[in-house]
Amino acid sequence: QKEVEQDPGPLSVPEGAIVSLNCTYSNSAFQYFMWYRQYSRKGPELLMYTYSSGNKEDGRFTAQVDKSSKYISLFIRDSQPSDSATYLCAMRKGANSKLTFGKGITLSVRP
Amino acid sequence: SQTIHQWPATLVQPVGSPLSLECTVEGTSNPNLYWYRQAAGRGLQLLFYSVGIGQISSEVPQNLSASRPQDRQFILSSKKLLLSDSGFYLCAWMQAEAFFGQGTRLTVV
Repeated sequence: QKEVEQDPGPLSVPEGAIVSLNCTYSNSAFQYFMWYRQYSRKGPELLMYTYSSGNKEDGRFTAQVDKSSKYISLFIRDSQPSDSATYLCAMRKGANSKLTFGKGITLSVRP
Repeated sequence: SQTIHQWPATLVQPVGSPLSLECTVEGTSNPNLYWYRQAAGRGLQLLFYSVGIGQISSEVPQNLSASRPQDRQFILSSKKLLLSDSGFYLCAWMQAEAFFGQGTRLTVV
């Protein structure tokens, strides 16, 4: 079993839809959880960062971490065509340990 | 604020030629620096990381090497490129989260 599994996609939704992106992981030692957005031919940019379990909201984006189920989610409300990108989940055990990434899912928001 | 620069953005090189990709960080000292390669459908593969000048750790055996000649400079190199070295190379600076450069798309022909 891979340490981090992410739905492969691709995912296509109409503008205004609520998008749910998910990752599962196997290592209970992961404590820091991140979501990155990557536009085509660009480097990933950090979207959301959470420590341990709980929810975090930033505008139209909400990140959820459920450590008991080893499951993290990113919700995008009122999706826009500009949200079309690849989304990668990432996690690490400690503040100085290496990041482990999911493979990413490509989202397309249709106008 | 901290910024990370990576160049070139695009590179086409013949098989057997050398490679040098450079990454520099501004606005911080003694950063932890990383080189990743991203292939379609395979996610981000960690190649090298460095916690200080001259300190390099390699994650996977391969045709590439890395060097950290200065505190804020991280270089990815190869003496002879292979076709399989083609990919999207990303430099990252890491605190609790990672900050990435804009990447270099390398095509070996």
